[in-house]
Amino acid sequence: IAGITQAPTSQILAAGRRMTLRCTQDMRHNAMYWYRQDLGLGLRLIHYSNTAGTTGKGEVPDGYSVSRANTDDFPLTLASAVPSQTSVYFCASSEVGGDEPQHFGDGTRLSIL
Amino acid sequence: QKEVEQNSGPLSVPEGAIASLNCTYSDRGSQSFFWYRQYSGKSPELIMFIYSNGDKEDGRFTAQLNKASQYVSLLIRDSQPSDSATYLCAVNAPGSSTLGRLYFGRGTQLTVWP
Repeated sequence: IAGITQAPTSQILAAGRRMTLRCTQDMRHNAMYWYRQDLGLGLRLIHYSNTAGTTGKGEVPDGYSVSRANTDDFPLTLASAVPSQTSVYFCASSEVGGDEPQHFGDGTRLSIL
Repeated sequence: QKEVEQNSGPLSVPEGAIASLNCTYSDRGSQSFFWYRQYSGKSPELIMFIYSNGDKEDGRFTAQLNKASQYVSLLIRDSQPSDSATYLCAVNAPGSSTLGRLYFGRGTQLTVWP
């Protein structure tokens, strides 16, 4: 079934540890996005990529990094996790990064202790 | 700062009624508007998108757009308990530097009671 796969589904992590959230899509979409969703704050964009080889910062990029080596994969890395990064993380993709709707993966629930 | 405002709710309607969800946005240049449904503990699911002023209907769902008033709404006719979810309004960020980016409202929680 075509779509977006995120891994892990959930994770508990000690503060200070490094963590990479994985996101893979098989729809050949050009654009990919990472959001975090926190109660009362809605979805906030962390980083995005309009095409392989390019990335950009969203609203809340501090403490996160991304790479886009190919069309399908868009990993999100927390270099040194802090408790304020406890959240649900969603990866999304869209066809051309313009007016096309975004489609979401199932999310990763991350707890930083 | 781009803003997308929604009533947080909760909005509670009886089964069979029309549920009306509203959204306003601040950037007059926005051209694309989306409604997502999110069940508790799940990911957002696209249910409607609209690009032109007026109404767009898809089954029991109707999206309404008024660019002059910077207002977009979602009507759910014959509401069912399975429609109980949080509905997110999303608006595109115009301009080449923000191509593809969406700004999301915080969502309106809808409960449909039997």
